[in-house]
Amino acid sequence: GAGVSQTPSNKVTEKGKYVELRCDPISGHTALYWYRQSLGQGPEFLIYFQGTGAADDSGLPNDRFFAVRPEGSVSTLKIQRTERGDSAVYLCASSLNGPRELFFGEGSRLTVL
Amino acid sequence: GENVEQHPSTLSVQEGDSAVIKCTYSDSASNYFPWYKQELGKGPQLIIDIRSNVGEKKDQRIAVTLNKTAKHFSLHITETQPEDSAVYFCAARQTLGRLYFGRGTQLTVWP
Repeated sequence: GAGVSQTPSNKVTEKGKYVELRCDPISGHTALYWYRQSLGQGPEFLIYFQGTGAADDSGLPNDRFFAVRPEGSVSTLKIQRTERGDSAVYLCASSLNGPRELFFGEGSRLTVL
Repeated sequence: GENVEQHPSTLSVQEGDSAVIKCTYSDSASNYFPWYKQELGKGPQLIIDIRSNVGEKKDQRIAVTLNKTAKHFSLHITETQPEDSAVYFCAARQTLGRLYFGRGTQLTVWP
């Protein structure tokens, strides 16, 4: 596809469950970002990949959150033992290398009951 | 880290009027300042950006100004239309790495 693709678009889970959110970036984009957006707030940085490695993971809130990008393309954000406070829209963005425009996907809305 | 403040949080204008949204940033090392438009249920979409070696940039009805000394930048939309209604976010970053976002401005354009 032409844009950043995120799946699922909506995910409802119960407190304590494990969740995976997937991001398929624009082909050829080496940089990939995960952000979290709560209602009425701006996107909050979680983690940034340059290729396969996490260049900056300082935004991950705690050790329940983990992200991988094993082949330098698709990335998965993993959340263990979900809590109600994890409910938010999780946005993925990608860009070419260097100081370039970030292209965002439409997000995965996570609801933890 | 960087701290980006954005005002106002809501803005209502009549169709055809101008709208101005203002942001300040704290880190003098920031040198890239994009503006994003987010419609309901969609991801943010870049509408214009400016780099620190430029004071003003225009693209049709949209313009952005940057004052590096004062560490503030503004978005100007002229001749507003109902389809301009959305949430607008300013952001800042250094050459590489994360974008720091403001909290957003809900713009409503009344026909």
